[in-house]
Amino acid sequence: AQSVAQPEDQVNVAEGNPLTVKCTYSVSGNPYLFWYVQYPNRGLQFLLKYITGDNLVKGSYGFEAEFNKSQTSFHLKKPSALVSDSALYFCAVLYNTDKLIFGTGTRLQVFP
Amino acid sequence: ETGVTQTPRHLVMGMTNKKSLKCEQHLGHNAMYWYKQSAKKPLELMFVYNFKEQTENNSVPSRFSPECPNSSHLFLHLHTLQPEDSALYLCASSQDGWGTEAFFGQGTRLTVV
Repeated sequence: AQSVAQPEDQVNVAEGNPLTVKCTYSVSGNPYLFWYVQYPNRGLQFLLKYITGDNLVKGSYGFEAEFNKSQTSFHLKKPSALVSDSALYFCAVLYNTDKLIFGTGTRLQVFP
Repeated sequence: ETGVTQTPRHLVMGMTNKKSLKCEQHLGHNAMYWYKQSAKKPLELMFVYNFKEQTENNSVPSRFSPECPNSSHLFLHLHTLQPEDSALYLCASSQDGWGTEAFFGQGTRLTVV
């Protein structure tokens, strides 16, 4: 079965420090992987995706993610965190062409 | 704004009521989705419509009934709900589902009393 795991409920980081939000996946075939962010009282917003090609994917707001096939991971990263990055982050995998399966989400808290 | 609009933003309904949630997009997308977001749970995919055809009904109870009259509109009809159905219901659309990113509405916060 296709699935996504986000092992951390919350990640705390000081402003200006690098951040990593972890995601591992389980899919049959080649994975289509996504990261979304949800700010309070809002729907989800697309950040970036991996379909094929370069393992390092760059997305919105300075975020990037690294696809690692051997570790079945797709961790979200940013070199320097901002307080405004504080939000709920979701990793997702696409299966059966049109169905996005999401992880449980990781709350990122960036402290000044 | 993402281009996906959901109404109402908030809804309180009794267990014997009938109500409908509405989702509208004018992005020219062909795939539309309903998700349920409950606290401390993954987003649950409920229904998928691709080119107005329902391609997924993810074991959703029959008290939830989707309707997709055209590629721009998606409804979720609700009747005889239970308190555990209280959640944030999110609508999304994507170009055609083939690896294209989804655009989400702001959601309808549903409370069943």
